[in-house]
Amino acid sequence: GQNIDQPTEMTATEGAIVQINCTYQTSGFNGLFWYQQHAGEAPTFLSYNVLDGLEEKGRFSSFLSRSKGYSYLLLKELQMKDSASYLCGIAYSGAGSYQLTFGKGTKLSVIP
Amino acid sequence: EPEVTQTPSHQVTQMGQEVILRCVPISNHLYFYWYRQILGQKVEFLVSFYNNEISEKSEIFDDQFSVERPDGSNFTLKIRSTKLEDSAMYFCASSERHLINANTGELFFGEGSRLTVL
Repeated sequence: GQNIDQPTEMTATEGAIVQINCTYQTSGFNGLFWYQQHAGEAPTFLSYNVLDGLEEKGRFSSFLSRSKGYSYLLLKELQMKDSASYLCGIAYSGAGSYQLTFGKGTKLSVIP
Repeated sequence: EPEVTQTPSHQVTQMGQEVILRCVPISNHLYFYWYRQILGQKVEFLVSFYNNEISEKSEIFDDQFSVERPDGSNFTLKIRSTKLEDSAMYFCASSERHLINANTGELFFGEGSRLTVL
């Protein structure tokens, strides 16, 4: 089976940096992605890591270590609008098919 | 900008009734998905669909669920006999390529259909 762990909630201050960690266990790993979900809205894509290392995209960066089953999402220069749930997910394959599954999400609250 | 559209945005139904949720994926996308999110819980995979057939489904997707692409644009999720525990937000998503071969894990999600079963 698959298991994804991430903290349930985090709080950070506007303008600061926050790191949201994610650990996973799976077979047939294909990649790890991060999505942002504001309350009552659809998830929106942030990043996708296939290889080890850091991927930077503006204020957001995502890191992956496949050997450790570990990823983090780094948010810099936090803004109030960054208050949302951040979903860590894995794409995995087996027996010729594949699935995408999400963790429970980390609810980030940005405070002034 | 192309987007995935879903209808209805909210549906209230009586337990035991059939419900059809509709989705129009992005026009050049080939892979379609349904996810659901029970209030306060995680986004759960239901089913993926490619080339007019189911390519993968989760244990949630039991015999009361079915999917169909009745024409060139719509992708539907049918729940035959709704139960109280089917109350959730149902998200449709689409992607251009098979994720195993893609450089991006980007699924494009619709705004969701909120189903309330009474």
